[in-house]
Amino acid sequence: NAGVTQTPKFRVLKTGQSMTLLCAQDMNHEYMYWYRQDPGMGLRLIHYSVGEGTTAKGEVPDGYNVSRLKKQNFLLGLESAAPSQTSVYFCASTGVLKSETQYFGPGTRLLVL
Amino acid sequence: GENVEQHPSTLSVQEGDSAVIKCTYSDSASNYFPWYKQELGKGPQLIIDIRSNVGEKKDQRIAVTLNKTAKHFSLHITETQPEDSAVYFCAATLMDSSYKLIFGSGTRLLVRP
Repeated sequence: NAGVTQTPKFRVLKTGQSMTLLCAQDMNHEYMYWYRQDPGMGLRLIHYSVGEGTTAKGEVPDGYNVSRLKKQNFLLGLESAAPSQTSVYFCASTGVLKSETQYFGPGTRLLVL
Repeated sequence: GENVEQHPSTLSVQEGDSAVIKCTYSDSASNYFPWYKQELGKGPQLIIDIRSNVGEKKDQRIAVTLNKTAKHFSLHITETQPEDSAVYFCAATLMDSSYKLIFGSGTRLLVRP
């Protein structure tokens, strides 16, 4: 099992550009999450999904959209990137019927100029 | 909503000494408290967790204690080793339909050889 994978690993955007971050998990997990990590602020939840076709807002959802068309994939979109969205983005998944453990991907480092 | 505070932000110990990291939470309904370790350039990884019906849990050199009345929980690492050097995050959640984790701001632990 690859676990949780994220693409791309690193990206540079100009202000106003758009992009999509892809998260994939091969553990048949029901729940998936997108976090952003900024220095001194820990991880903050952006959006999450409790199942295929469902999404919900987390703590800091503004400026982001998500989709969960397939159970194994969770996409995070930035429609018009801003410098404040410069961060490291982590995806996580959990199969809560078995365990509460959230498994994290390796992260995507995004720089918005 | 839930708020988690974590202290200290940095901790330096001599190899072989113990390290203690403390967290407090605000929502008395929270009932699951995991601890994650993040090494440089990687995603967080669960190292130990505790549920609200338990006061203490141990796993080799790592232990977590929970005081529900005071709403705080702590991570204890004994006989520290250089490979314990990393950033540690506490988190809290209510084990309901979403399992959304609220993270502390992190503690950078340095174990000096």
